[in-house]
Amino acid sequence: ETGVTQSPTHLIKTRGQQVTLRCSSQSGHNTVSWYQQALGQGPQFIFQYYREEENGRGNFPPRFSGLQFPNYSSELNVNALELDDSALYLCASSLDPGTSFYEQYFGPGTRLTVT
Amino acid sequence: AQTVTQSQPEMSVQEAETVTLSCTYDTSESDYYLFWYKQPPSRQMILVIRQEAYKQQNATENRFSVNFQKAAKSFSLKISDSQLGDAAMYFCAYRTPRGNQFYFGTGTSLTVIP
Repeated sequence: ETGVTQSPTHLIKTRGQQVTLRCSSQSGHNTVSWYQQALGQGPQFIFQYYREEENGRGNFPPRFSGLQFPNYSSELNVNALELDDSALYLCASSLDPGTSFYEQYFGPGTRLTVT
Repeated sequence: AQTVTQSQPEMSVQEAETVTLSCTYDTSESDYYLFWYKQPPSRQMILVIRQEAYKQQNATENRFSVNFQKAAKSFSLKISDSQLGDAAMYFCAYRTPRGNQFYFGTGTSLTVIP
């Protein structure tokens, strides 16, 4: 059983550029949630994809968008990067949300630096 | 919107002693789920313990236990017989019933003193 993987590990972008982060969910999981974790802060929920559809969204602007593929891997896209987007981006995979034993498994994260 | 508050940015404990980390939350829902996550310096988040709001019994996982006070909206984590490997950031988190919204606290950095 493979765990949650994310790529790339680190990324440096310039303000105004666009970035795509990738997440491979744990084998058998159909749900992926994305989080932004600024330095010294707790993770902030960006959105969740369940069976290729957006299933929930946090308080993030539309320039944060995502995709989930038939194999349940996922992408996070951020357009028009701002300096405040510099953070660790975490993805977490799980089985069907809403179930009592719902449990998320986190990936190691992608460190994004915007200059 | 729900909020999760961890009022202790840093805590320390002697090895083998017991420490309690505090968490309060705000919600208007009656059914929800609460979690404690551990994030070691290597940064991969790990689930420590979870509590379903409809259960009155406090959850326990080996040396980790919670004190869930639903009326007070309090959810503290007790670590018994602290070990050096317990040193990490600990995050309290709230999950909505549908499982499609999560709220994390700002974390408590736990240091274990040998």
